[in-house]
Amino acid sequence: GAGVSQSPSNKVTEKGKDVELRCDPISGHTALYWYRQSLGQGLEFLIYFQGNSAPDKSGLPSDRFSAERTGGSVSTLTIQRTQQEDSAVYLCASSLAPGPANYGYTFGSGTRLTVV
Amino acid sequence: DQQVKQNSPSLSVQEGRISILNCDYTNSMFDYFLWYKKYPAEGPTFLISISSIKDKNEDGRFTVFLNKSAKHLSLHIVPSQPGDSAVYFCAATEGSGTYKYIFGTGTRLKVLA
Repeated sequence: GAGVSQSPSNKVTEKGKDVELRCDPISGHTALYWYRQSLGQGLEFLIYFQGNSAPDKSGLPSDRFSAERTGGSVSTLTIQRTQQEDSAVYLCASSLAPGPANYGYTFGSGTRLTVV
Repeated sequence: DQQVKQNSPSLSVQEGRISILNCDYTNSMFDYFLWYKKYPAEGPTFLISISSIKDKNEDGRFTVFLNKSAKHLSLHIVPSQPGDSAVYFCAATEGSGTYKYIFGTGTRLKVLA
């Protein structure tokens, strides 16, 4: 597609439920990233995919968080047993490759998750 | 521990004047710095970058200055336009092939017509 597409754009869920967030990167972009922005915080790195592999999952906050990528394209971020502190905007980004660093990424418009 | 800090949460500037957004960092290993702009309900978009071998990079109305000794960078917008009203994030990373950026908390710029 023309840009990075994320769905849903907004999600309200009850504490304890599982949620799935979807990211459809720019066609041909092999690198995909998930970040999140909690209220009053900067963007926080969660996970990096190169193709279908995730060489760096170091930013996932707990084992309730998992992500997968299939066909080198669509990625799903799953949060199990959601907690109120999971409320944030979850942003997906993609790039042709993980560098050069100064070219930046293309971000999607994010999924705003609210856990009530 | 916030490695990249944007201490001003908001800034208001008159149209036509200069906007100066500031960013401080603590990690001396950072060698690439970027600025992103974010409009409401949209994802951040890449604006301008600078590597540590330079102290200035200019792109049209946007100039980024880097002071390595002070671990400080700034984004200048001249002249400011109402369409520049957005949240601006600075980000830093180390290494030319890296993928993990450390972002600041953002500064909301409002350009008054």
